[in-house]
Amino acid sequence: EVQLVESGGGLVQPGGSLRLSCAASGFTFSSYSMNWVRQAPGKGLEWVSSISSSSNYIYYADSVKGRFTISRDNAKNSLFLQMNSLRVEDTAVYYCARGPPNDFWGQGILVTVSS
Amino acid sequence: DIVLTQSPGTLSLSPGARATLSCRASQSVSSSYLAWYQQKPGQAPRLLIYGASSRATGIPDRFSGSGSGTDFSLTISRLEPEDFAVYYCQQYGGSPPFTFGQGTKLEIK
Repeated sequence: EVQLVESGGGLVQPGGSLRLSCAASGFTFSSYSMNWVRQAPGKGLEWVSSISSSSNYIYYADSVKGRFTISRDNAKNSLFLQMNSLRVEDTAVYYCARGPPNDFWGQGILVTVSS
Repeated sequence: DIVLTQSPGTLSLSPGARATLSCRASQSVSSSYLAWYQQKPGQAPRLLIYGASSRATGIPDRFSGSGSGTDFSLTISRLEPEDFAVYYCQQYGGSPPFTFGQGTKLEIK
């Protein structure tokens, strides 16, 4: 069974940092591209970042470019999102998802940026 | 960047009715790399359709996708109570950003 489990969320002040993790199981992690997608409270889905299977290709939404860094550890079946210089508007549930197309999603982790 | 516009914003229908949701792209979506997702409150999205018309694993055949280029649609042939949710389209062709539409809320009439 494919499972994606996010961790590392929480409350942080504007300008602060957080590192999200996504633990993958039930599939050959090293064979798939992975993504982070977020959803602000009461809003729609926003693609944040993608990383190819061997980390050769990395992409970011303009809204996070220069502040967020996606990475992966294929030996540990893990995906990461380092978030720096956080803003109030980064408040959202963050999902890790396999793909695209995003055929499996984690349950999501809430990141709240507030003073 | 490709902008996806979904319509209508809200669709009110009764169980048993047919639902047609639209997704229009600002430029052609390469190789019909267009997906549809369903999201219920408090849950992660679920992939319904990929490649514009292929059903994902385990998706009932009352869900169907069609379209190419800039115009795509998701049809639910006979609505079941569990189908009332928010639906998103996403394009994933070429290079990112892999943009989502703003969503269509399907509500019970």
